[in-house]
Amino acid sequence: EAGVTQFPSHSVIEKGQTVTLRCDPISGHDNLYWYRRVMGKEIKFLLHFVKESKQDESGMPNNRFLAERTGGTYSTLKVQPAELEDSGVYFCASSQASGLGLRGGTQYFGPGTRLLVL
Amino acid sequence: DAKTTQPTSMDCAEGRAANLPCNHSTISGNEYVYWYRQIHSQGPQYIIHGLKNNETNEMASLIITEDRKSSTLILPHATLRDTAVYYCIVRPINNAGNMLTFGGGTRLMVKP
Repeated sequence: EAGVTQFPSHSVIEKGQTVTLRCDPISGHDNLYWYRRVMGKEIKFLLHFVKESKQDESGMPNNRFLAERTGGTYSTLKVQPAELEDSGVYFCASSQASGLGLRGGTQYFGPGTRLLVL
Repeated sequence: DAKTTQPTSMDCAEGRAANLPCNHSTISGNEYVYWYRQIHSQGPQYIIHGLKNNETNEMASLIITEDRKSSTLILPHATLRDTAVYYCIVRPINNAGNMLTFGGGTRLMVKP
């Protein structure tokens, strides 16, 4: 079974530019999450999709960040315009829709996208 | 979500058991204990989770105290590849979609 994949693995952009990160969850996983770690900080939740719907976007830092999951498969996270403080590692995770107690609620992470804004 | 407290860092000799403690004294009856680890430059990796019984899988064992206020992750025979930051996380049972709240974790250094 293929794991969560993310693209690109690295991105270096200038302040003010736009970057789009992509996440492909494990096949059949309805739940998809975005997290990020900025320099020196802990990993923080950004948002959660159930299929194509945003279930919780309480962690999104501001309106420069836009996440989509059209069709309920892969997801994109766009940062526009990027700022210096957006530099960090962006992780995607996915889990099945079934409840906890089984492995269905366990989140499996991708390798992350390392974003550097200059 | 309940908070967890872990030591900042620990060392372990290669081949020995690594015992990583976690305090979650405010855990409620409907919260699981999850363990993840992050090896340098990789994404967080799921290790194990449990509610109140001890659990074992191919990676590790999880020992939860009877009062559920603390737990210990045991790597029975640590290798150099187990060097990583280990995160103890509590998470409610009743919502499969809840976010994971990462703390600072324990940086485990396995030494030859």
